[in-house]
Amino acid sequence: KQEVTQIPAALSVPEGENLVLNCSFTDSAIYNLQWFRQDPGKGLTSLLLIQSSQREQTSGRLNASLDKSSGRSTLYIAASQPGDSATYLCAVRYTGTASKLTFGTGTRLQVTL
Amino acid sequence: NAGVTQTPKFRVLKTGQSMTLLCAQDMNHEYMYWYRQDPGMGLRLIHYSVGEGTTAKGEVPDGYNVSRLKKQNFLLGLESAAPSQTSVYFCASRTWTGEKLFFGSGTQLSVL
Repeated sequence: KQEVTQIPAALSVPEGENLVLNCSFTDSAIYNLQWFRQDPGKGLTSLLLIQSSQREQTSGRLNASLDKSSGRSTLYIAASQPGDSATYLCAVRYTGTASKLTFGTGTRLQVTL
Repeated sequence: NAGVTQTPKFRVLKTGQSMTLLCAQDMNHEYMYWYRQDPGMGLRLIHYSVGEGTTAKGEVPDGYNVSRLKKQNFLLGLESAAPSQTSVYFCASRTWTGEKLFFGSGTQLSVL
């Protein structure tokens, strides 16, 4: 079964720390992987999209990496800020699944002052 | 440019009632999706559309119907609501070639 797992479910860090969020997937035959941010009571905002041929993508303080062979992706957030507090979800589009994304359950991040 | 707009934002139904959720996008996107989000289960795809007049089933389509009569609108219908359909519903859209999804702010539905 094609699944996506995110551990831990929740994470609290002090402001200024660099941190890594993890995403693992069960099938290496992926088309792409996308990281989203979700604020309470809001929809999802796409942060980074990594194609299967890419190893990483960067946007500002965010860097996402992809290792298909190990079935893992990480989202690195540099110099965390209280405004980074949100739930971060990863979603995988597996090869041959047309429009379907398989979502993880997310990691709820709290950055404290 | 409003992006993806969902109406209503909140709704409470009694078991057996029907309702329609509306999703509208002003980005001329071909693909539109309906997801539900439940605690501990991630987002699950209900139905999707690859263009005006087309619809397809996702992984949890039972109890729902959809229509895409106009390119900018994607409607999700519940004919006879059940408590198991209590959830937060999200609409999303993307272009034909782009993979980045744009989401609406969600509809919180409670079925009593």
